[in-house]
Amino acid sequence: DAKTTQPPSMDCAEGRAANLPCNHSTISGNEYVYWYRQIHSQGPQYIIHGLKNNETNEMASLIITEDRKSSTLILPHATLRDTAVYYCIASSNFGNEKLTFGTGTRLTIIP
Amino acid sequence: EPEVTQTPSHQVTQMGQEVILRCVPISNHLYFYWYRQILGQKVEFLVSFYNNEISEKSEIFDDQFSVERPDGSNFTLKIRSTKLEDSAMYFCASTGPGQGGKTQYFGPGTRLLVL
Repeated sequence: DAKTTQPPSMDCAEGRAANLPCNHSTISGNEYVYWYRQIHSQGPQYIIHGLKNNETNEMASLIITEDRKSSTLILPHATLRDTAVYYCIASSNFGNEKLTFGTGTRLTIIP
Repeated sequence: EPEVTQTPSHQVTQMGQEVILRCVPISNHLYFYWYRQILGQKVEFLVSFYNNEISEKSEIFDDQFSVERPDGSNFTLKIRSTKLEDSAMYFCASTGPGQGGKTQYFGPGTRLLVL
């Protein structure tokens, strides 16, 4: 699995867009970029994933650079409930591929 | 929306005792996983399971650990003789058969405390 690098912490004002960066310069062609988050000690929650195109769902948008070496997760209107640790993970689309979690970015939404 | 469930939510046990952690994956999913997270540390992969056999296991998953899918719905993790260092949150996850990436969906976890 490609290693990912994320800033350890970020703050964002409530109601503003939270932009969380991730570097994955060694990502291989068959690896997707996945984003999960973990609120307190709850189970990791899937947010979004993509291969090379930008993706959007009801939770977030994912912007992947053309060279696929980095990506940004965007939470368009952050709320206090978005305070969590966010993990960027590169993983192939093969079945049974384990997820390798790093330390993630601790995002704090400021009222 | 379908979700992964886990029982119990909390388990306290004495060192050396056996524990069984239970998971009900999402119903049409085919791939199953266990992860654990020691307090303050990263989420770590333990084992993956497909077609009634282990696909991959980490070095953490030693002979004290075993997994089983005893029926069509449950997926269990057994720790045969618990140690103090087994205290952690244990998360079950499952993945469906779809294309476009194999998204793993996690359960809420079981907090295991070994005394």
